[in-house]
Amino acid sequence: GAGVSQSPSNKVTEKGKDVELRCDPISGHTALYWYRQSLGQGLEFLIYFQGNSAPDKSGLPSDRFSAERTGGSVSTLTIQRTQQEDSAVYLCASGRNTEAFFGQGTRLTVV
Amino acid sequence: AQSVTQPDIHITVSEGASLELRCNYSYGATPYLFWYVQSPGQGLQLLLKYFSGDTLVQGIKGFEAEFKRSQSSFNLRKPSVHWSDAAEYFCAVVPTSGTYKYIFGTGTRLKVLA
Repeated sequence: GAGVSQSPSNKVTEKGKDVELRCDPISGHTALYWYRQSLGQGLEFLIYFQGNSAPDKSGLPSDRFSAERTGGSVSTLTIQRTQQEDSAVYLCASGRNTEAFFGQGTRLTVV
Repeated sequence: AQSVTQPDIHITVSEGASLELRCNYSYGATPYLFWYVQSPGQGLQLLLKYFSGDTLVQGIKGFEAEFKRSQSSFNLRKPSVHWSDAAEYFCAVVPTSGTYKYIFGTGTRLKVLA
């Protein structure tokens, strides 16, 4: 595709449910990032993939959060047993040669 | 630890006025430096980047930024602001060693008065 695609664009879930957020990066981009943006906050780093491996997952806030990337392409961010504080916009970016391109994000609301 | 500081949370300027958004970073060496813009409900768009060389960098939409090593700063400027520039602006650094991840400032929200 022309850009980074994230789905769904909006997700409302009940507290305690699991959610999966998907990111389709730009073809050929080896680096993939997940960030979280809360209301009035900056961008919080979650995890970085280089190919299928995640050399830096230091930003995942708890063990309820996990992410995987398959085939060096699509990535899924999974949040288990969602809590209200997980409500935020989750942004994915892909990159190559030191430039990252961002998707439009998934707005997650936990009620 | 590396960090990025954008000291101005909100800035309001009149259309046609000049603009400067401040960014300071903390890192042992010169990192890669970026400015991104985010319009409401949108993702982030890259305005410009600095890796090395000329310390004055030109970007899209008439923006430029100047890297000052002595001040650990990378301020964004525009000579004449347009109403469409109203958005949130993020400065980011990428360390040149270790994990190649973007570290963002908290952003500056720009309001433009007609």
